[in-house]
Amino acid sequence: AQSVAQPEDQVNVAEGNPLTVKCTYSVSGNPYLFWYVQYPNRGLQFLLKYITGDNLVKGSYGFEAEFNKSQTSFHLKKPSALVSDSALYFCAVRDGGGGRRALTFGSGTRLQVQP
Amino acid sequence: DGGITQSPKYLFRKEGQNVTLSCEQNLNHDAMYWYRQDPGQGLRLIYYSQIVNDFQKGDIAEGYSVSREKKESFPLTVTSAQKNPTAFYLCASREVATKETQYFGPGTRLLVL
Repeated sequence: AQSVAQPEDQVNVAEGNPLTVKCTYSVSGNPYLFWYVQYPNRGLQFLLKYITGDNLVKGSYGFEAEFNKSQTSFHLKKPSALVSDSALYFCAVRDGGGGRRALTFGSGTRLQVQP
Repeated sequence: DGGITQSPKYLFRKEGQNVTLSCEQNLNHDAMYWYRQDPGQGLRLIYYSQIVNDFQKGDIAEGYSVSREKKESFPLTVTSAQKNPTAFYLCASREVATKETQYFGPGTRLLVL
């Protein structure tokens, strides 16, 4: 079965500093990986995905993620954090091909950016 | 939250009552999904549907039922058999034909009175 792990419940960073939110995965076959962000009492917003190709994926709001096959990781990064980036971040992997193509999510990492 | 709407935003259920959560999308997506979110946990799949009049159980389907009579609508019923229904429920949709990204609605918070 596919799985993802987000080892940090919370990440604290000062505004203007670079941020990293970690994700590792376990899949059989090629991984299809995603990052989503959730603001309080809201749905999930898609940030970026890795399907194939370049290991550095660029997404929305200045976020990017680095796919590392040997370390089975897909860490989310941003060069300069904003206070408005404070939210709950989820890493996910596609679970099942064919018509299912559901997502298996990590437990989430809360990002707190301090002014 | 794109073209996916969920209603109501908050829903209260009494003991022994069935309640239905609405999910509508105007994205012309074929596939739709229901997930449940509990505090400190990721989302878990309840049901999914690839096309109209077809749906499949996800990982935690017990105590829930769905229907897919129209392409744009995928309502979820939380039955009295679901003993711990308090959670945040999220609906998502995906364009098929190898499109991988799911888009989510704003969610419904279900509380038990």
